[in-house]
Amino acid sequence: DVKVTQSSRYLVKRTGEKVFLECVQDMDHENMFWYRQDPGLGLRLIYFSYDVKMKEKGDIPEGYSVSREKKERFSLILESASTNQTSMYLCASGGAGTNQPQHFGDGTRLSIL
Amino acid sequence: AQSVTQLGSHVSVSEGALVLLRCNYSSSVPPYLFWYVQYPNQGLQLLLKYTSAATLVKGINGFEAEFKKSETSFHLTKPSAHMSDAAEYFCAVSERYSTLTFGKGTMLLVSP
Repeated sequence: DVKVTQSSRYLVKRTGEKVFLECVQDMDHENMFWYRQDPGLGLRLIYFSYDVKMKEKGDIPEGYSVSREKKERFSLILESASTNQTSMYLCASGGAGTNQPQHFGDGTRLSIL
Repeated sequence: AQSVTQLGSHVSVSEGALVLLRCNYSSSVPPYLFWYVQYPNQGLQLLLKYTSAATLVKGINGFEAEFKKSETSFHLTKPSAHMSDAAEYFCAVSERYSTLTFGKGTMLLVSP
């Protein structure tokens, strides 16, 4: 089975802090993704990566950056956390090709105080 | 850009009743379509996917979905609901680089 592991299930940070969310996959997938999930809004794509050191902006990249130094690891960075970034963050990985499904981690519930 | 519409943010059924969750998509090219399920405090789990091999797709836990090009629909059904089916369900369409566009989700409530 594909395993996507997110480093924290719950995280509490303060406004202005730099926050790192880590994600590791064990299936040698080319593509990795970061979403945020908010009630009534569904899942919105923040950033994705289709190869090591490559990244593409998703629908809501403002206030976020990402890093992919190794194929299995994809990090989401909140440069200066704000309260409107309180949300559930989901990481996913998937093989190359538009017919490939994505496999999700269990999510990180992030609260910014 | 492609889009996905899920009709009904909440659907309530009785245990043993038919489950029907609606999904319509917009796409200018033949799409790849997916249904995911999310249980409380968990990530999304793939239920089934349509990749043009067959219009009726069977998934896990007794769910199936039918692709209807003329109606641009991909509705999810299950003949008999079980209490354990209570969860949120997401329909998604695939775009470039395997990025997915999700619908806003439908919460399925199952009563005894």
